[in-house]
Amino acid sequence: GENVEQHPSTLSVQEGDSAVIKCTYSDSASNYFPWYKQELGKGPQLIIDIRSNVGEKKDQRIAVTLNKTAKHFSLHITETQPEDSAVYFCAARVAMDTGRRALTFGSGTRLQVQP
Amino acid sequence: ETGVTQTPRHLVMGMTNKKSLKCEQHLGHNAMYWYKQSAKKPLELMFVYNFKEQTENNSVPSRFSPECPNSSHLFLHLHTLQPEDSALYLCASSLLGQGSSGNTIYFGEGSWLTVV
Repeated sequence: GENVEQHPSTLSVQEGDSAVIKCTYSDSASNYFPWYKQELGKGPQLIIDIRSNVGEKKDQRIAVTLNKTAKHFSLHITETQPEDSAVYFCAARVAMDTGRRALTFGSGTRLQVQP
Repeated sequence: ETGVTQTPRHLVMGMTNKKSLKCEQHLGHNAMYWYKQSAKKPLELMFVYNFKEQTENNSVPSRFSPECPNSSHLFLHLHTLQPEDSALYLCASSLLGQGSSGNTIYFGEGSWLTVV
């Protein structure tokens, strides 16, 4: 099955700096890579995703890059703000045509943005 | 409001009790999931239901029993649990099939379970 590794496990940055979280995956057939943000006491919420037919996707201060050859993808947050503090999870999944697979998640990164 | 509602939000139960967690999705999805979140394994898939049919059981002990009466509702029945089963149980849903929105999974806020 799929195996997703995520680094670092904790990340502390100063407000206004950039933060980068990296993930690697093992199943070369995986073609969908979402990122989730989980705030304290809440469930994970999707913040951005990328499919394997593109290499980069941006949404305001958030961007995700994908390198299919190396089987790794990264989340980039620019101009960080205290409200970005949360746990971030990456995930990977093979297409759900048969409905037999769900997401495999990384172990999470606790991001702390210092004001 | 995520469109996926879980009750109760907090549950404390003894090892001999029987309780149930409930999940309801208001997004018109046709796949539902149970995940377990703990310090040891942050997001661990337990069960998958597609169109009310269970399609995946990720080697979950039988003391956890899922039920999916329709595409909008999902239950997790709990009996004779162990203290190590204490965790956050997350329900999620998605829309199957092709298309740009077909793969996005939406989570509920979770049910915090403590087994004493």
